[in-house]
Amino acid sequence: EPEVTQTPSHQVTQMGQEVILRCVPISNHLYFYWYRQILGQKVEFLVSFYNNEISEKSEIFDDQFSVERPDGSNFTLKIRSTKLEDSAMYFCASIRLAGFNTGELFFGEGSRLTVL
Amino acid sequence: KQEVTQIPAALSVPEGENLVLNCSFTDSAIYNLQWFRQDPGKGLTSLLLIQSSQREQTSGRLNASLDKSSGRSTLYIAASQPGDSATYLCAVPANPNFGNEKLTFGTGTRLTIIP
Repeated sequence: EPEVTQTPSHQVTQMGQEVILRCVPISNHLYFYWYRQILGQKVEFLVSFYNNEISEKSEIFDDQFSVERPDGSNFTLKIRSTKLEDSAMYFCASIRLAGFNTGELFFGEGSRLTVL
Repeated sequence: KQEVTQIPAALSVPEGENLVLNCSFTDSAIYNLQWFRQDPGKGLTSLLLIQSSQREQTSGRLNASLDKSSGRSTLYIAASQPGDSATYLCAVPANPNFGNEKLTFGTGTRLTIIP
């Protein structure tokens, strides 16, 4: 069964360092997302991406964050200068078509980011 | 702004029992509702997606119902097994005017099945 894959599974970094989290969405999917979950809290939407541009972003997704689809398969989330409060599990998700009644959103296993 | 609440926050039941998990949402103008399972430290596995035109959806021992007018959904698990132990999350579109991809999640119900 096709799946969304994420790397690394766990990354530890020092505050102020840049981090890139990588995702390979399901191959025929067209819409890509990043969500995050701070330990013990709800899963929160960060950003959606379609046709090589951001279609929507949340208040959390400030100038420290960026997303990119550098080639036909990878989808990356970059945090330019990490803060302690960026420590969370980051989930990538994808869906073939967006809009109404278009099916399930598929999530990856997540990348746990720990900022020291 | 859509808010999603799940009660109870945690539930422990003996193996073999049937159980119901609850989800409520504040804006009833949703297009669908999705139930997920999350194992500790793991990703989100989609269990069931109910479209707004449906009242329920079934997959194996799982049955999810949706009552839009009252802003509620339930996930029924029949004949529970220890392998069902996980956190169960429900999610609805954050803005009913958009599609299903920007989701608002509940805090989940942590289910423990006692052998």
